Amino acid sequence: AQSVTQPDIHITVSEGASLELRCNYSYGATPYLFWYVQSPGQGLQLLLKYFSGDTLVQGIKGFEAEFKRSQSSFNLRKPSVHWSDAAEYFCAAASGGSYIPTFGRGTSLIVHP
Amino acid sequence: GAGVSQTPSNKVTEKGKYVELRCDPISGHTALYWYRQSLGQGPEFLIYFQGTGAADDSGLPNDRFFAVRPEGSVSTLKIQRTERGDSAVYLCASSVGTQETQYFGPGTRLLVL
Repeated sequence: AQSVTQPDIHITVSEGASLELRCNYSYGATPYLFWYVQSPGQGLQLLLKYFSGDTLVQGIKGFEAEFKRSQSSFNLRKPSVHWSDAAEYFCAAASGGSYIPTFGRGTSLIVHP
Repeated sequence: GAGVSQTPSNKVTEKGKYVELRCDPISGHTALYWYRQSLGQGPEFLIYFQGTGAADDSGLPNDRFFAVRPEGSVSTLKIQRTERGDSAVYLCASSVGTQETQYFGPGTRLLVL
């Protein structure tokens, strides 16, 4: 079955530190890949997406993600975290021909001052 | 312009009652999606519309759930004979087309007592 796994339920980092959120997918073929952020009381916002081409994808708010086919991973990174980045982050994947994403269960990012 | 709006923001009902949740997509967006997000989980796809027709309703959990989009704009998700397990946040998203970025509303939090 197609699935998206985010192995970390919570991640705690200090403000200014680097961040990496993990995401693995299980699909027959390379899916379309997405990262979304959900802040309290806010709707989900797309950070970035990968359809094909360059495996390093740049997104909004200083985030980037790298697609690694050999590891079936699409990890999200940011070199320096700000307190306002504290939120829930969701990785998602959609199979070719369908743009309806399957979401992981999310990783809650806590930022310490 | 205005984003996706959802009403009500919160809904409390009793087991067995009927509820309607409304979604106003971004003007001009032809695709509209409904998701359900349970506590501690990522959103799960319910149904999506292309124009007035339901293009994919494979995510609806059972026949108590129904959605309409009669004029290709506003959509209503209808839940009959609500059960406590229906308690969740119901998210709506819209996009210009099915291959384009989905923009999410803030959700309706449904609590079934």
